[in-house]
Amino acid sequence: AQTVTQSQPEMSVQEAETVTLSCTYDTSENNYYLFWYKQPPSRQMILVIRQEAYKQQNATENRFSVNFQKAAKSFSLKISDSQLGDTAMYFCAFMKHFGDDKIIFGKGTRLHILP
Amino acid sequence: SAVISQKPSRDICQRGTSLTIQCQVDSQVTMMFWYRQQPGQSLTLIATANQGSEATYESGFVIDKFPISRPNLTFSTLTVSNMSPEDSSIYLCSVELQGNTGELFFGEGSRLTVL
Repeated sequence: AQTVTQSQPEMSVQEAETVTLSCTYDTSENNYYLFWYKQPPSRQMILVIRQEAYKQQNATENRFSVNFQKAAKSFSLKISDSQLGDTAMYFCAFMKHFGDDKIIFGKGTRLHILP
Repeated sequence: SAVISQKPSRDICQRGTSLTIQCQVDSQVTMMFWYRQQPGQSLTLIATANQGSEATYESGFVIDKFPISRPNLTFSTLTVSNMSPEDSSIYLCSVELQGNTGELFFGEGSRLTVL
């Protein structure tokens, strides 16, 4: 069975700083997807970034980038030039590449961006 | 993208009663998922609801407690039956527009409080 672990329940950083959220996972699969989802205080969850395990290049989306270390089963999210609107719960998630489309979520990291 | 509307957005219910949550999507989708998010916790998949077939329930969730309907490609309901305070949670509907991508779109959730 797959597991996703986020070891940082809560973090706070000043606006404009860079912050890194940690995630590790466990799987015996070789092909899979990893995701970071964001849940702002309004509760609607949105996808931030996605990484395909067979791609060595780390995914980036504007100020968001990941550090994907497949051998170490690590998948951290870096937010550069953080903004107040980045305040949210961030969930790391896993999905098998060929399977039943079930996504397994970590417990989340609550990120506070301070003015 | 997809716009997902959930009703009710919140409700306070008495122990022993049942409540049906509706999920309406603005486009036709094959894969719909119902998640539960208990206070301060991560998302737990309750079931996958595909049109034209019975819902597939995850371990720990049963049809008698969480009956699901999926009458067409844009609508689904989740009923929480015979509620107890332990059912107090946010219930989230989500859809995947393209299969096997892991990109889920979520409704804003239905926050249930059971007294």
